[in-house]
Amino acid sequence: QKEVEQDPGPLSVPEGAIVSLNCTYSNSAFQYFMWYRQYSRKGPELLMYTYSSGNKEDGRFTAQVDKSSKYISLFIRDSQPSDSATYLCAMTFGNEKLTFGTGTRLTIIP
Amino acid sequence: NAGVMQNPRHLVRRRGQEARLRCSPMKGHSHVYWYRQLPEEGLKFMVYLQKENIIDESGMPKERFSAEFPKEGPSILRIQQVVRGDSAAYFCASSTASQASHLFGPGTRLTVL
Repeated sequence: QKEVEQDPGPLSVPEGAIVSLNCTYSNSAFQYFMWYRQYSRKGPELLMYTYSSGNKEDGRFTAQVDKSSKYISLFIRDSQPSDSATYLCAMTFGNEKLTFGTGTRLTIIP
Repeated sequence: NAGVMQNPRHLVRRRGQEARLRCSPMKGHSHVYWYRQLPEEGLKFMVYLQKENIIDESGMPKERFSAEFPKEGPSILRIQQVVRGDSAAYFCASSTASQASHLFGPGTRLTVL
């Protein structure tokens, strides 16, 4: 069993739709949870960062962490073609290595 | 503030040659991480370094791979006697002592012929 599971997609949705991306994990010691966006042939870019359980909102993006279920989500509202990218969830115990999901490839159709 | 810099961006090597990948962390960041990304896969941790110290190399293959972060200059990931399976994108990331998140560089794409 992988430490972090993420549906690889691909996922295609029409412009303006709400997108839901999810990861599950097995190690309850993870404390910090992140979502990175990666455009083709580019480096990952930090989108959202959450400590422990709860919600965090930043513009059109909302990150949710449910530690009791070992489940994290990223919601994108009013999706735009520029949101087309691969989304990677990542998590860590603290100031050390990140453990990533495999990434979900998202395409927003104009 | 140029962020994390990596060079070269693309590197082609023949089997058996050495590959040297360089990473300059963001100014003020003392922690450097190397990750490898194979096609259609997520990022896999390789090694975590601070100045002159390897903190965690649990993700690095035991043979042919080495990493350093000297007192002066960039961090170097060295792959000796490259094989086709080493072809991948190698990303460097950096952070401060108090950050859990990493700032990533643009990556070096290694192709082994």
